Amino acid sequence: DQQVKQNSPSLSVQEGRISILNCDYTNSMFDYFLWYKKYPAEGPTFLISISSIKDKNEDGRFTVFLNKSAKHLSLHIVPSQPGDSAVYFCAASAERVNRDDKIIFGKGTRLHILP
Amino acid sequence: DVKVTQSSRYLVKRTGEKVFLECVQDMDHENMFWYRQDPGLGLRLIYFSYDVKMKEKGDIPEGYSVSREKKERFSLILESASTNQTSMYLCASRSMGVGEETQYFGPGTRLLVL
Repeated sequence: DQQVKQNSPSLSVQEGRISILNCDYTNSMFDYFLWYKKYPAEGPTFLISISSIKDKNEDGRFTVFLNKSAKHLSLHIVPSQPGDSAVYFCAASAERVNRDDKIIFGKGTRLHILP
Repeated sequence: DVKVTQSSRYLVKRTGEKVFLECVQDMDHENMFWYRQDPGLGLRLIYFSYDVKMKEKGDIPEGYSVSREKKERFSLILESASTNQTSMYLCASRSMGVGEETQYFGPGTRLLVL
């Protein structure tokens, strides 16, 4: 049973346009959400996070939106650049419930930025 | 700056061999994790550890064991490697401090079992 779902295995976006990566979760106890970026043959790197007390967090070209009622979050990248081509993992954890709890990852979305 | 290192970037082993994958972190993190990444399956948790000599099974522990003798080091062991263990292995660590929820990954070890 997948608690964190990324339903789009891949996404292609024109350079300069907005990339929107989506993520849904099922566990209402999740209160902390993260996005990781991964290039081939490298480990994932932390990109941006959001706590459940917020509905938006922005860091440069990256913005994460959280809709708790819909159990949905999205990562917006604008403008998209060629170096953004990578696999993006959505992740969630239930920090308030159990600080020992592990982070649950989605299966990832491969983003292709087209020239 | 957090650093998580893994002993090898690429490994080629034969079926039946014992394989050790080493991971070291330099930030005094309590929690350490081993994942494998396979196409279409995302990151799957193999084992994790909250403290020295403590370990917990993740989602896919079969065929693997771990060792955490020192806080900074977490080893993944394949007792008898099999071809279905060919994968990218990723180690991660994480602090238990408030506001330190981010998990940091090593560069990964790509293992090929022939």
